[in-house]
Amino acid sequence: DIQMTQSPSSLSASVGDRVTITCRASQNISSRLAWYQQKAEKAPKSLMYAASSLQSGVPSRFSGSGSGTDFTLTISSLQPEDFATYYCQQYNSYPFTFGPGTKVDIK
Amino acid sequence: EVQLVESGGGLVQPGGSLRLSCAASGFTLSDHYMDWVRQAPGKGLECVGRSTNKANSYTSLYAASVQGRFTISRDDSKNSLYLQMDSLKTEDTAVYYCVRGFHGMDVWGRGTAVTVAS
Repeated sequence: DIQMTQSPSSLSASVGDRVTITCRASQNISSRLAWYQQKAEKAPKSLMYAASSLQSGVPSRFSGSGSGTDFTLTISSLQPEDFATYYCQQYNSYPFTFGPGTKVDIK
Repeated sequence: EVQLVESGGGLVQPGGSLRLSCAASGFTLSDHYMDWVRQAPGKGLECVGRSTNKANSYTSLYAASVQGRFTISRDDSKNSLYLQMDSLKTEDTAVYYCVRGFHGMDVWGRGTAVTVAS
């Protein structure tokens, strides 16, 4: 199985801050990388697919980049509703695997 | 509105069985790949199984941890997806999500909780 890692595991930030989360795959997954946001006691919500394509309705302050094994999710200006846990996921080969998550909380 | 609604979770003893259902609305289920993803309490996300679409013969794939115990099926007439879970173990305790497998996993249900305990 492809292993996914994320860094940092958690971060504290303020409203308006620029936040970057890194995701790394244990082998080349091309651009078959998705990002999800999960708030407490809620289902995950899809933010991005194909490493850099926004899902419909997702604010443009979210952006993604990368290919191969190294990827990033950036929130350009953190908003109150963005405090959540973020997961990356590879969908290059089954079983699709998720990173362990990055928790973003209020500084 | 595109929506997925899971049902069928509950408390079951180790070795028991449970069948989860996922009712889709707002789109035709048979056109899409569908996934089951679970999340154990306080843990991360784990893909359990995948069903390809009708055009790809509804082929199923499973995680090694559930292979031989879980089975995915569909009922096109009800626009529904199912997860039959047999020989349940305590480590199967989780919230189970039904997910549409398009552009990654674009639509998620709210989940149904399964607890395996004696």
